[in-house]
Amino acid sequence: KAGVTQTPRYLIKTRGQQVTLSCSPISGHRSVSWYQQTPGQGLQFLFEYFSETQRNKGNFPGRFSGRQFSNSRSEMNVSTLELGDSALYLCASSFFPDTQYFGPGTRLTVL
Amino acid sequence: GESVGLHLPTLSVQEGDNSIINCAYSNSASDYFIWYKQESGKGPQFIIDIRSNMDKRQGQRVTVLLNKTVKHLSLQIAATQPGDSAVYFCAEMPQGGSEKLVFGKGTKLTVNP
Repeated sequence: KAGVTQTPRYLIKTRGQQVTLSCSPISGHRSVSWYQQTPGQGLQFLFEYFSETQRNKGNFPGRFSGRQFSNSRSEMNVSTLELGDSALYLCASSFFPDTQYFGPGTRLTVL
Repeated sequence: GESVGLHLPTLSVQEGDNSIINCAYSNSASDYFIWYKQESGKGPQFIIDIRSNMDKRQGQRVTVLLNKTVKHLSLQIAATQPGDSAVYFCAEMPQGGSEKLVFGKGTKLTVNP
């Protein structure tokens, strides 16, 4: 069974731009969660989707948003990028309520 | 607020030794705990999990111990190998039906040959 896939793997953007990251969960998994990983703050929860509905949201500004499609694939969007948004963005999927399995992440660099 | 912390940021062991990585959690309402391993350039990889109704769980070369009295979690790796070198994170999931994981800051394990 294929694992969680994330695209793109690397992104370079400039301040003020917006970005969309994509996540395809493990087949059969309906829950998708997003995390931000930085050296200073570690792994922080962004939001979680289940059956196209956002069930939980972390403490991030409204510039961070997401959605989930009927096939459980998910996207997250960051608008008006700031330098501090540079991070590894990780997607995890699970067959709720069960273990979350992570993808390789998207490395976003904001210049 | 919620937080999961680790006692040591780095741990260095000799190949073949046993490793113990510790974690303290603060939310007594958490009922599910997971250990992840993250190698450079990769996403966290599931190692082992334990629910709050258990004290110990064993996997292949790994054991997780949960002490709810002092809110302490540990990961034991037997016969540590160079391939075990990575950053190890503990994570807790509070009760309530949410998939939100609260992560500790990680312990970097270095295995010396």
